[in-house]
Amino acid sequence: EDKVVQSPLSLVVHEGDTVTLNCSYEVTNFRSLLWYKQEKKAPTFLFMLTSSGIEKKSGRLSSILDKKELFSILNITATQTGDSAIYLCAASGGGADGLTFGKGTHLIIQP
Amino acid sequence: DTEVTQTPKHLVMGMTNKKSLKCEQHMGHRAMYWYKQKAKKPPELMFVYSYEKLSINESVPSRFSPECPNSSLLNLHLHALQPEDSALYLCASSQDPGVSYSPLHFGNGTRLTVT
Repeated sequence: EDKVVQSPLSLVVHEGDTVTLNCSYEVTNFRSLLWYKQEKKAPTFLFMLTSSGIEKKSGRLSSILDKKELFSILNITATQTGDSAIYLCAASGGGADGLTFGKGTHLIIQP
Repeated sequence: DTEVTQTPKHLVMGMTNKKSLKCEQHMGHRAMYWYKQKAKKPPELMFVYSYEKLSINESVPSRFSPECPNSSLLNLHLHALQPEDSALYLCASSQDPGVSYSPLHFGNGTRLTVT
């Protein structure tokens, strides 16, 4: 059975701190790993990673995949209160099978 | 706002009611999905439509019935639901499920309450 495990499940930091969110996966015929940010409604897409060792960046957010060790990290630097959300990691296997999600990391940024 | 539109945003229904959730996308995506999300839990896959054909049904009870009238529309028909079916129902689409994986784009969801 495919499995995605995220840690920590919750994290409280102060504005300006840097955070690292972790995601490990066991997925048959792994194809890609995705990060989403979910506030009140729809998960919004952040990154899709398919190759090991290539960092993807978007502003203060960055992510990298290690296909040998089967994990990914999401970094957020200089955090802001607007970064408060649940960050979901998801992995896809072969075929039109949707995604297997982790339980998410609930990140709270305090002013 | 997302490019995947779901209606209604909120729905309250009794256990004997019949209702439908609707989802629409005009991005030319050929795969569409229904997910169910309970509070403080990740989304759980219910159904996948690939090129308007049902390709995955994740052992969902028959009181949930999906329909894909065309490549832009996805419905979820609800009948005789139970209170434990109360959840956020998310629709998603992706460009091409079969060849190279593309990210899912989610709608804002329908918040369903079954009384």
